Amino acid sequence: EAQVTQNPRYLITVTGKKLTVTCSQNMNHEYMSWYRQDPGLGLRQIYYSMNVEVTDKGDVPEGYKVSRKEKRNFPLILESPSPNQTSLYFCASSPGLAGILGEQYFGPGTRLTVT
Amino acid sequence: TQLLEQSPQFLSIQEGENLTVYCNSSSVFSSLQWYRQEPGEGPVLLVTVVTGGEVKKLKRLTFQFGDARKDSSLHITAAQPGDTGLYLCAGVIAGGTSYGKLTFGQGTILTVHP
Repeated sequence: EAQVTQNPRYLITVTGKKLTVTCSQNMNHEYMSWYRQDPGLGLRQIYYSMNVEVTDKGDVPEGYKVSRKEKRNFPLILESPSPNQTSLYFCASSPGLAGILGEQYFGPGTRLTVT
Repeated sequence: TQLLEQSPQFLSIQEGENLTVYCNSSSVFSSLQWYRQEPGEGPVLLVTVVTGGEVKKLKRLTFQFGDARKDSSLHITAAQPGDTGLYLCAGVIAGGTSYGKLTFGQGTILTVHP
């Protein structure tokens, strides 16, 4: 089944403790992206990757890192999480440039709470 | 400042009514998408519009892309309780160097009462 998977689905952590949220897609998509969703703000793009070893900042990249060492995986790293990073995070992938060539397929989301 | 302004943010209507959701910007978009999201799930694409003035229909849903490619609307005819959800517009700004940067509106929470 074609899908985007994220792990973990739920995470409660403390300020400053490094964490990684994994994202994997099995559709051989070139484009992958991370978003955070907060009430009243819609989805805001954190980072995106148009291909392996190519990553770019979205609108809210501060406090986050990503890597794209292989096509299927696009992990999101929080080196030193802070409470303002408490949010619902979505990973997405697309066969081409998002918004032009193909639809984005979203993962199920990761709800992160930083205390 | 939100690049894509969606309105209204909340919409509560009775089954059978019609409604329109708007997505506006001062920027020109090369394409615009509409997504629907249900609680506990990721957004699911409804439509992509690319050409200025384009109108697309998906059963009771009609999507329009403004002539200048700065705005879009989603119109639902005879809304049903199954239409309840969060509707999001998203677009790629035209002419920018960040070709993969996708901007979302704040979303419209639609509730259709039986």
